[in-house]
Amino acid sequence: KQEVTQIPAALSVPEGENLVLNCSFTDSAIYNLQWFRQDPGKGLTSLLLIQSSQREQTSGRLNASLDKSSGRSTLYIAASQPGDSATYLCAVGDNDMRFGAGTRLTVKP
Amino acid sequence: EAGVAQSPRYKIIEKRQSVAFWCNPISGHATLYWYQQILGQGPKLLIQFQNNGVVDDSQLPKDRFSAERLKGVDSTLKIQPAKLEDSAVYLCASSWGVGELFFGEGSRLTVL
Repeated sequence: KQEVTQIPAALSVPEGENLVLNCSFTDSAIYNLQWFRQDPGKGLTSLLLIQSSQREQTSGRLNASLDKSSGRSTLYIAASQPGDSATYLCAVGDNDMRFGAGTRLTVKP
Repeated sequence: EAGVAQSPRYKIIEKRQSVAFWCNPISGHATLYWYQQILGQGPKLLIQFQNNGVVDDSQLPKDRFSAERLKGVDSTLKIQPAKLEDSAVYLCASSWGVGELFFGEGSRLTVL
């Protein structure tokens, strides 16, 4: 059974700092890894999708990498802004996407 | 392109009552998912449909939860009777086969 862990559970940084969020998973036989953002009281917004044949994806200030052999993914956020404050979730799998508990990010002005 | 639509957004019921949630996926998406998200946790898959067939319902508490996807388009998730521990956000997602998931805004259930 796939287990997904996200560390840290919460992170607070000053505006402008670059930061890395971590996601680890136990079963490397995955098809997709997807990073999401969730604002309070809202649904999940897709940020980046990495398919198993890919190593990384980039969108604006976001870069996600995937290392299947070590069961890890990182989400890099450059030049953080207060508007980046949210919970970030990773999900891994194929038909059955398993989620981590998320990292709650606060970016202070 | 319209996103995943869900209703109602909020529902408050007494324990042992019943409730139903509705989801309309993105047009053309064959795969539809219902997730349960308890406060402070990541979403947990309840049931996955491919068109109108069930792919995975291993984590659905079948004694009280049921779901259907008639005609392979919209879907309904029902809880009867509700328990206190069912208080959560019920999220619907859809995808084009095995691909990127797109979520709706969710339906927040409070059971008193």
